[in-house]
Amino acid sequence: DQQVKQNSPSLSVQEGRISILNCDYTNSMFDYFLWYKKYPAEGPTFLISISSIKDKNEDGRFTVFLNKSAKHLSLHIVPSQPGDSAVYFCAASQNQAGTALIFGKGTTLSVSS
Amino acid sequence: AAGVIQSPRHLIKEKRETATLKCYPIPRHDTVYWYQQGPGQDPQFLISFYEKMQSDKGSIPDRFSAQQFSDYHSELNMSSLELGDSALYFCASSLVRGLVDEQYFGPGTRLTVT
Repeated sequence: DQQVKQNSPSLSVQEGRISILNCDYTNSMFDYFLWYKKYPAEGPTFLISISSIKDKNEDGRFTVFLNKSAKHLSLHIVPSQPGDSAVYFCAASQNQAGTALIFGKGTTLSVSS
Repeated sequence: AAGVIQSPRHLIKEKRETATLKCYPIPRHDTVYWYQQGPGQDPQFLISFYEKMQSDKGSIPDRFSAQQFSDYHSELNMSSLELGDSALYFCASSLVRGLVDEQYFGPGTRLTVT
């Protein structure tokens, strides 16, 4: 059973607009959430994270929102740029030293100019 | 900034052979993780080490073993290789600090078993 779900396999956005990527989780023990960006044949690149004690974290063009009651998080990218085109993975963990990240299946974002 | 280093980047082995993948974490990071990513799949956690002790264990086959050494680098040993072991193997490292535990990934080793 997939504990972290990214229900949209793909998303297309115009340059300059907002990209919103969504993620749902089922395990209430998860307390730390991360977003990664990945290009083919490369390792995932860390983008932004959020602890369950917060509901929002912002870093430049990237903002992550967490709704614990709905077990839902989202990544907002504003403004979107063509270089943002990649696969975005949502990941979750129980925040203890050395604990595994559980990944979603990923969403492919395409930003057109 | 220094990143996670993995070697080799590409490896071709035959069935029933053995393979050793190496991972050098970001300096001062104390935790190392191994993940396997099959074609079109999300990364699947194999095993992790915190301060040289096994910390968490995922879907790692019994044919695989791993360890973290005194200099914090880690090796993943894979024996009796099967065609299904062909995948990208990622190593990640982190420095656990309270509520923050961001894992930084290496470029991966592409293993092909023929």
